[in-house]
Amino acid sequence: ETGVTQSPTHLIKTRGQQVTLRCSSQSGHNTVSWYQQALGQGPQFIFQYYREEENGRGNFPPRFSGLQFPNYSSELNVNALELDDSALYLCASSSKVTGTTEAFFGQGTRLTVV
Amino acid sequence: AQRVTQPEKLLSVFKGAPVELKCNYSYSGSPELFWYVQYSRQRLQLLLRHISRESIKGFTADLNKGETSFHLKKPFAQEEDSAMYYCALSSPTGGGNKLTFGTGTQLKVEL
Repeated sequence: ETGVTQSPTHLIKTRGQQVTLRCSSQSGHNTVSWYQQALGQGPQFIFQYYREEENGRGNFPPRFSGLQFPNYSSELNVNALELDDSALYLCASSSKVTGTTEAFFGQGTRLTVV
Repeated sequence: AQRVTQPEKLLSVFKGAPVELKCNYSYSGSPELFWYVQYSRQRLQLLLRHISRESIKGFTADLNKGETSFHLKKPFAQEEDSAMYYCALSSPTGGGNKLTFGTGTQLKVEL
């Protein structure tokens, strides 16, 4: 059984650019959630994907968008990057849409916007 | 709206001393609470959830709905317990569930 993997591990972008982060979910998991973790803060929910559709969204502007593919892997896209987008982005996969379920996290992608 | 508060950024204890990491929540529905842990250079992982009422690595947490608390406790701290601990609340979002995290408490166990 493979765990959640994210790529890249680090990247640096310039303000105004666009970025795509990738996540491979754990084997057998069909739900992927993305979180943003700013320095000194807990992870904050961005959105969730289930069966290739957005299944819930947190308080993030539309320039944060995502995709889920038939193999349940996922992408997080951020347009028009701002300095405040600098953070650790975490992907979590789970196997159940409703009810309590354990979320398995990836190691994260550290995004720095300069 | 849901909210999770962890009042301590850092908690330092000696090995063998009792540990209590505080977590308070605000939520209008029936709460589903978790403790996640992040050891140095490792990913965030589930430590325990309140519905299972189990003890993991000697840690326990009891949900107190009257005090809206879910404190994490261990009677005797070990050096390997040093880590970042996050309390989290699960709530519905769209068709699924999301986690709302506290800001975390860094536990440092000193020899």
